[in-house]
Amino acid sequence: GNSVTQMEGPVTLSEEAFLTINCTYTATGYPSLFWYVQYPGEGLQLLLKATKADDKGSNKGFEATYRKETTSFHLEKGSVQVSDSAVYFCALRNTQGGSEKLVFGKGMKLTVNP
Amino acid sequence: NAGVTQTPKFQVLKTGQSMTLQCAQDMNHEYMSWYRQDPGMGLRLIHYSVGAGITDQGEVPNGYNVSRSTTEDFPLRLLSAAPSQTSVYFCASSRLGNEQFFGPGTRLTVL
Repeated sequence: GNSVTQMEGPVTLSEEAFLTINCTYTATGYPSLFWYVQYPGEGLQLLLKATKADDKGSNKGFEATYRKETTSFHLEKGSVQVSDSAVYFCALRNTQGGSEKLVFGKGMKLTVNP
Repeated sequence: NAGVTQTPKFQVLKTGQSMTLQCAQDMNHEYMSWYRQDPGMGLRLIHYSVGAGITDQGEVPNGYNVSRSTTEDFPLRLLSAAPSQTSVYFCASSRLGNEQFFGPGTRLTVL
């Protein structure tokens, strides 16, 4: 079946630190991969996505590259800000058969201190 | 556009009570879904719909019913609430094959 494994944290960083959140997946076929972010008290927002191998998604200084050989989609940011404090979810959608269903990792809470 | 709206924001129920969580979207999206979010569990799919009149079960459907009589609305019904249904519930919608948009969530406590 389809599954996503990601770092769970919680993680606390100082402002301007480097961030990596690991995400690996198991899926048949060629899934699309996503990172969602949930700010305190809000719903989830799409942060970035990649739909095929070697695609790089980027947004708001965050990047993630779809690595089929390692079945990974690690999220990185070179210099985090206090406003990046949130919960980050890695997710996949297995488009085989036209499925729309998202499968999520457990989420990782990030706190950035000034 | 209001996007995806959910009501209520908060709800407290007693065991055995019933209620309906409302979800509406004004983007003419075909796909709508309900998730529950529990600590350490991520989001798990409860039910989903690919269009009016079509619904199907997700990963954790037991104890929940849905219907999709219009494109805009996708209510989630708890027929007899249990403490295990204490959670935060999110509704999402999308055009088929595109980004899913999430509502702000409903925080439900069952005593």
